[in-house]
Amino acid sequence: QVQLVQSGSELKTPGASVKVSCEASGYSFTSDVIHWVRQAPGQGLEWMGWINTNTGNPTYAQGFTGRFVFSLDTSVSTAYLQISSLKAEDTAVYYCAKNDGSSWSGDYWGQGTLVTVSS
Amino acid sequence: QSALTQPRSMSGSPGQSVTISCTGTSSDVGTYNYVSWYQQHPGKAPKLIIYDVSKRPSGVPYRFSGSKSANTASLTISGLQAEDEADYYCWSYVGGYILVFGGGTKLTVL
Repeated sequence: QVQLVQSGSELKTPGASVKVSCEASGYSFTSDVIHWVRQAPGQGLEWMGWINTNTGNPTYAQGFTGRFVFSLDTSVSTAYLQISSLKAEDTAVYYCAKNDGSSWSGDYWGQGTLVTVSS
Repeated sequence: QSALTQPRSMSGSPGQSVTISCTGTSSDVGTYNYVSWYQQHPGKAPKLIIYDVSKRPSGVPYRFSGSKSANTASLTISGLQAEDEADYYCWSYVGGYILVFGGGTKLTVL
């Protein structure tokens, strides 16, 4: 069955970097794009962008350029989200989601990774 | 790109029907049939319940249905059950390989 398993919670100090992983299984990793979604505490879902798992080409939403980088390691069917120069407002749960290949929707989601930025 | 507009909260009694709206513009919701809906229980990952405006993934109860009229998409939950109490989000493709979420609706089952 399709599964997306994300890395564990992270506690970082302001200015540090973090790399969140999303390991996919149960389907052909390069056949469907991966979305990244942020959810700040008590807030709604915010689309960060997506990465083409075939070409590695990322697309970033407004507000997620510069400090946010999507990457892949197709040899281990894993997508990564790296955030640099962390700020307190980056504290959130970050989700990866597999796109339904015939549509624009997230048919399978990772369990989420809590990133806490605090001094 | 602005978030799609959803009511912040709605409520209904068991057995009733509720309809949650998701309003965009003629350039996004009004143009593309790529509106999806997600159910999120506290502390859990979102779950896809409707895609392509009105299609239901395998395993999602028939009580959940989706529709669209002009610039507004809607999610209807018929025969409301206690376990339907959750947050609901719409998500739409808006062109240029960009997507945007609605602000979310907190559904309370009275």
